[in-house]
Amino acid sequence: DAGITQSPRHKVTETGTPVTLRCHQTENHRYMYWYRQDPGHGLRLIHYSYGVKDTDKGEVSDGYSVSRSKTEDFLLTLESATSSQTSVYFCAIKADSYNEQFFGPGTRLTVL
Amino acid sequence: AQSVTQLGSHVSVSEGALVLLRCNYSSSVPPYLFWYVQYPNQGLQLLLKYTSAATLVKGINGFEAEFKKSETSFHLTKPSAHMSDAAEYFCAVSDRRNRDDKIIFGKGTRLHILP
Repeated sequence: DAGITQSPRHKVTETGTPVTLRCHQTENHRYMYWYRQDPGHGLRLIHYSYGVKDTDKGEVSDGYSVSRSKTEDFLLTLESATSSQTSVYFCAIKADSYNEQFFGPGTRLTVL
Repeated sequence: AQSVTQLGSHVSVSEGALVLLRCNYSSSVPPYLFWYVQYPNQGLQLLLKYTSAATLVKGINGFEAEFKKSETSFHLTKPSAHMSDAAEYFCAVSDRRNRDDKIIFGKGTRLHILP
């Protein structure tokens, strides 16, 4: 157990509203990641962080922003949610060896 | 650039039969390779990883995978399938020379176990 929690676990929202998803870790890992999972696409990287206030884009970053003001928290924000952002969102941390990542339980987001 | 191809988005095997999930990778640098498993409504769980110490890697739940450089493959096997193995499996690759590298995931293979 890598001590990763995500909140909320489920959310239904309407198009055009802002949404923030939270990822919290308890083990002080430097690297954190946000992915989305969609059928037929596997996992796609949205944004990642390599330290407090240090973030970078992944392959599907349009429409998303992130913030990391503390080591333990990594926030993903949808400024104005769209139906195409309906997905399951996973947070992950990178272990200190061999690049493997450990995942949180996921957040299922539905945008109506 | 690195990439992973998983052959077959769905695989069905009978309970007790051999499980074989195929993964081919493309990498211009020495890779780390991983298999993850995802049970319904859960996050991904690391099943096993190849780090160059041994080409045959044993993981949890009786799974193993063999790194074959000549074939650029990292297929996942289990001698005897159990109903509890029904899940989605993801192969992934990362750059072994770069400890800060990201992981590239395949699109996944859903394993169905037939009674």
